[in-house]
Amino acid sequence: EAGVVQSPRYKIIEKKQPVAFWCNPISGHNTLYWYRQNLGQGPELLIRYENEEAVDDSQLPKDRFSAERLKGVDSTLKIQPAELGDSAVYLCASNPWEGATEAFFGQGTRLTVV
Amino acid sequence: GEDVEQSLFLSVREGDSSVINCTYTDSSSTYLYWYKQEPGAGLQLLTYIFSNMDMKQDQRLTVLLNKKDKHLSLRIADTQTGDSAIYFCAESINNNDMRFGAGTRLTVKP
Repeated sequence: EAGVVQSPRYKIIEKKQPVAFWCNPISGHNTLYWYRQNLGQGPELLIRYENEEAVDDSQLPKDRFSAERLKGVDSTLKIQPAELGDSAVYLCASNPWEGATEAFFGQGTRLTVV
Repeated sequence: GEDVEQSLFLSVREGDSSVINCTYTDSSSTYLYWYKQEPGAGLQLLTYIFSNMDMKQDQRLTVLLNKKDKHLSLRIADTQTGDSAIYFCAESINNNDMRFGAGTRLTVKP
């Protein structure tokens, strides 16, 4: 069974440029998360989807961040425009259902904004 | 406070036991988790404990939970060099999300 797939693995962009990250969760997993992990820190939730519905986006900086999961399968997280402080690893995770015990994580996308 | 707290570093010799400690914040957390992160990889769930349990053992791993003090620990017996990684403690929030600590970097010396 394929795990959570994220792309790209690495991205370097100049500040003020847009960037997008893609995530394909494990097949059949209804719950999808985007986390941001700053250097030396644990992951922090940005947004959680149940199928195509964003049920918790309270931590998403909505002035520059957006996310979508149009068909309830794969998801895209976008930053526009990027700032230096956005440099981090962006992790996607999925659960088979809401409240399931284990979240399965992808390898992450390491973003560097210069 | 709102933070899940862990010590940042732990160094042990191969074959010794490692104990990683964590203090969490939410007394209503249903599950407490230990995740492992190796360089360049995502987080991998090692084990978890339900909040009505005091201890859980799984092969070389032993989790102890003290709900009164909101203290969680992970003991790794016979630590190997392959156990070198960052270990994250996490508490469940509203049964749908997790709050993570900053991670403990375990270094195992041969």
